[in-house]
Amino acid sequence: GEDVEQSLFLSVREGDSSVINCTYTDSSSTYLYWYKQEPGAGLQLLTYIFSNMDMKQDQRLTVLLNKKDKHLSLRIADTQTGDSAIYFCAEKGGGSQGNLIFGKGTKLSVKP
Amino acid sequence: NAGVMQNPRHLVRRRGQEARLRCSPMKGHSHVYWYRQLPEEGLKFMVYLQKENIIDESGMPKERFSAEFPKEGPSILRIQQVVRGDSAAYFCASSFSLTSAETQYFGPGTRLLVL
Repeated sequence: GEDVEQSLFLSVREGDSSVINCTYTDSSSTYLYWYKQEPGAGLQLLTYIFSNMDMKQDQRLTVLLNKKDKHLSLRIADTQTGDSAIYFCAEKGGGSQGNLIFGKGTKLSVKP
Repeated sequence: NAGVMQNPRHLVRRRGQEARLRCSPMKGHSHVYWYRQLPEEGLKFMVYLQKENIIDESGMPKERFSAEFPKEGPSILRIQQVVRGDSAAYFCASSFSLTSAETQYFGPGTRLLVL
């Protein structure tokens, strides 16, 4: 079956780097996504990576994909208090349907 | 270009009542997805619709839940005879097409509380 796992909590100090990890099980996944959810809000797409890529960088965000181990990570450089939120990893399977499969989310707390 | 819109943002219902949740996709998007988020959980897929068609409802409970996306107007998620376990945040997402590269954009959600 399809499953996405994430650690539930991460705490860092302002200015440090944050690394949020995710593992998935569907080897046919075509795209993998990172979404950010602030309290009481919807999901904001942060970035995504195609399954034939190893790395993608977008300003302070770096996504690393290890397809062999089915491991995805999101690194946030120079973490700010405004980065405090829940971060969801999601995969889109290789089948014909377009629904996303989400992890339970990692709550990032940034201490000043 | 307005994003995905959902209303109401908050909805309180008593057990046994009906809940109707609305979603207007982004302009030009014809694919709509509904997800449910239980407290402290990730989002779970419920149903995927295109205009006037339900494409995949494999994540939606067979009873009491229904969804539609008419030719004109928003997509509606309807929950009949609500129970306390239906309390959750319901998110709608839309995309332009079904191709793998197409990103889903999420609305702000409707938070349903069943008393």
